[in-house]
Amino acid sequence: QQQVKQSPQSLIVQKGGISIINCAYENTAFDYFPWYQQFPGKGPALLIAIRPDVSEKKEGRFTISFNKSAKQFSLHIMDSQPGDSATYFCALHRGGGADGLTFGKGTHLIIQP
Amino acid sequence: GAVVSQHPSRVICKSGTSVKIECRSLDFQATTMFWYRQFPKQSLMLMATSNEGSKATYEQGVEKDKFLINHASLTLSTLTVTSAHPEDSSFYICSARDGGAVNQPQHFGDGTRLSIL
Repeated sequence: QQQVKQSPQSLIVQKGGISIINCAYENTAFDYFPWYQQFPGKGPALLIAIRPDVSEKKEGRFTISFNKSAKQFSLHIMDSQPGDSATYFCALHRGGGADGLTFGKGTHLIIQP
Repeated sequence: GAVVSQHPSRVICKSGTSVKIECRSLDFQATTMFWYRQFPKQSLMLMATSNEGSKATYEQGVEKDKFLINHASLTLSTLTVTSAHPEDSSFYICSARDGGAVNQPQHFGDGTRLSIL
């Protein structure tokens, strides 16, 4: 049972463009929504995170938009750079007494120079 | 800040060997640490939650006698893969939570690539 659906699986964006990655979830008990960036052979690095009482959070070029009623949240990378090329994972913290993160399947992002 | 160190980064060993992986939070104390497993080009799957001073909580389908977890201090958790076999080959990644509340950031180590021959 997949609790979070991430799309697209892969994405190619021109340098300077906007990269958008989406996630949709089913369980309303989730209470924390981080995004991670992973380079090959490395562990995931926390990019930005949001809690369900906030609809948008911006940190530098990265923005999370959160739609609680639709159970969707998205990552926007503004002015995308070649160094942003990586795999991005959305994740959800399992509330309701359970702990740990449930991850999406990842989006392989390529920024073309 | 919030650095998590994992050691070793890579292990290659024969079938039947037991392998210990260490996860340390270097600049913060972590009451709770987590162990994940990641297959090539796939997502991370939570294996177990490790709380300092108590028994680990394992996810459904994860054998607790196969994957022994010890969290003896606020900065160190270890995962021992006992009698490892080729199907245990994977990328094992730990994370540590910075802060006591459950919806606080988790910071990940750089993983351990385990290859069982």
